[in-house]
Amino acid sequence: EVQLLESGGDFIQPGGSLRLSCVVSGFSFSNYAMNWVRQAPGKGLEWVAGISSTGGSTHYAESVRGRFTISRDNSKKTLYLRLSTLTAEDTAIYYCAKDDRRTNWALDSWGQGTLVTVSS
Amino acid sequence: EIVLTQSPGTLSLSPGERATLSCRASQSVSGSSLAWYQQKPGQAPRLLIHGTSSRATGIPDRFSGSGSGTDFTLTISRLEPEDFAVYYCQHYGNSPLYTFGQGTKLEIK
Repeated sequence: EVQLLESGGDFIQPGGSLRLSCVVSGFSFSNYAMNWVRQAPGKGLEWVAGISSTGGSTHYAESVRGRFTISRDNSKKTLYLRLSTLTAEDTAIYYCAKDDRRTNWALDSWGQGTLVTVSS
Repeated sequence: EIVLTQSPGTLSLSPGERATLSCRASQSVSGSSLAWYQQKPGQAPRLLIHGTSSRATGIPDRFSGSGSGTDFTLTISRLEPEDFAVYYCQHYGNSPLYTFGQGTKLEIK
């Protein structure tokens, strides 16, 4: 069974930093690109960042480029997202999600999410 | 950047009825890059349809997708109580990698 488990969400002050983690099981992590998608309270879905299977290629949404860093450790089957220079607009549930060429790169597996709240 | 616009914002129907949800892209997109997700309150999104019309694993056949170019549709043939949720269309592209529509809330009438 494919499982993705995020952690690291917290209540943090504006300007602060945080690292989110996503530990996976049930599939060969090193063979798949991974992504972070966020959802502000009561709002829709926003893709944040993606990383290739090897970690050699990363992509970011314009809203987070230069402030967020996606990375992975294939030996630990873990995906990370480093968040910095946080603002209230970054308050959201952050989901990790796996994509798959067999589903035309759609996001076929998601974690349950971890909540980041940015407030003074 | 491609913008996806979903309509209606809210759709009120009864169990057993047919639901038709629309997703319009700001420019023509490849059908292989269009997907649909379902999200229930307090849950993560779930992939329903990829490549415009291919059902994801375990998705009932009452869910179907169609469309091309700029206009895509998710149809639920006969609504079950568990189908009332928010639905998002999504495009996979270059920059950004993924774009989502704003969502359609399907509520019980």
